[in-house]
Amino acid sequence: ILNVEQSPQSLHVQEGDSTNFTCSFPSSNFYALHWYRWETAKSPEALFVMTLNGDEKKKGRISATLNTKEGYSYLYIKGSQPEDSATYLCAFQGSARQLTFGSGTQLTVLP
Amino acid sequence: EPEVTQTPSHQVTQMGQEVILRCVPISNHLYFYWYRQILGQKVEFLVSFYNNEISEKSEIFDDQFSVERPDGSNFTLKIRSTKLEDSAMYFCASRTGQNTGELFFGEGSRLTVL
Repeated sequence: ILNVEQSPQSLHVQEGDSTNFTCSFPSSNFYALHWYRWETAKSPEALFVMTLNGDEKKKGRISATLNTKEGYSYLYIKGSQPEDSATYLCAFQGSARQLTFGSGTQLTVLP
Repeated sequence: EPEVTQTPSHQVTQMGQEVILRCVPISNHLYFYWYRQILGQKVEFLVSFYNNEISEKSEIFDDQFSVERPDGSNFTLKIRSTKLEDSAMYFCASRTGQNTGELFFGEGSRLTVL
């Protein structure tokens, strides 16, 4: 059973704050690390798919980094807005190809 | 924009009944998946499907579960004899042939087994 852990489980921040959260995953048999954003009553949407150690990706105010050697990825949100409120899921894609999801970090941005 | 669609959005059934959940993946996608999320728990992998056959399945996907792509567009998940613990949100997802392609999810089908 693959262990994909996300922390914190939930997070409340004020509008305008920057925040970050962590995904840890097995450092062996790594193929890719996915980040998804899941708003209530909608389906998860992909943010990033990262494959290379040291990779950094950015989409607007959201960015992510990847360390495959130590098995972690950080997701950063700069200047959080209420519309960023969602659950952020990471998923480890190992050599078996299917994705193993973490439990998610539930972010609430207070106006 | 193309999307994955799922029906029904919510189904209530009695324990022991058969249930079929339907999904229409994005048309040029090649890999299809079912995931589920029991309330308050992680999203769990059930099965992946490629080239008209199951490519991988989890321990959850036992003999009570089956998948089919009967007509080249629909991708169905059948639960033969539902149990209370099958109550969950079931998500269908699809992706292109690229190995690190992102998954595109449907909005889910909520199954409630009474």
